[in-house]
Amino acid sequence: KNEVEQSPQNLTAQEGEFITINCSYSVGISALHWLQQHPGGGIVSLFMLSSGKKKHGRLIATINIQEKHSSLHITASHPRDSAVYICAVRSRDGGSQGNLIFGKGTKLSVKP
Amino acid sequence: EAGVAQSPRYKIIEKRQSVAFWCNPISGHATLYWYQQILGQGPKLLIQFQNNGVVDDSQLPKDRFSAERLKGVDSTLKIQPAKLEDSAVYLCASSLFLAGGRNEQFFGPGTRLTVL
Repeated sequence: KNEVEQSPQNLTAQEGEFITINCSYSVGISALHWLQQHPGGGIVSLFMLSSGKKKHGRLIATINIQEKHSSLHITASHPRDSAVYICAVRSRDGGSQGNLIFGKGTKLSVKP
Repeated sequence: EAGVAQSPRYKIIEKRQSVAFWCNPISGHATLYWYQQILGQGPKLLIQFQNNGVVDDSQLPKDRFSAERLKGVDSTLKIQPAKLEDSAVYLCASSLFLAGGRNEQFFGPGTRLTVL
């Protein structure tokens, strides 16, 4: 079983829909990242969370430390949101240089 | 602020050939990471540098992969000789070194390698 599980693996939505991508993890963490990867490989960091909720534009990320679960929400989705969204956690046991443990990603396709 | 730079962006080689990738991290970032991302999977850490020293290279296939960061700034990753299964996107990332374990990593655009 992977230490970081994402669901769904693939997601197709119509423009304007509200989208939720989930991430569950099994290790103690010091931080959780949501990353966006565009076709061609480049990765952009969207959020880094250790508790609560963060919002940036149409993106909202929440984390529940007790339940070891995080969600990424996209409101009023747009075709330009089409990308792979990756959840990554930094294990608490990894110390200040702890490495990231990555989920396999959720491929989102938003149709106009 | 300039981001993490990588080159080349794309490379196609035949198996058994050699290839090298270059990464220039964000200025002032002491930590540099190389990741391998095979299609459909999340990135896998190959090697982590702190300045010019190796922190973690436990998942680096040392029989064919090598990496260096001689002056503690830019870094090269080499594969010699390449195998078909090395086809992947190679991502470089960098971060500040701060105590507390919350260092945000900044990723480069990646190099897509195809081995024929």
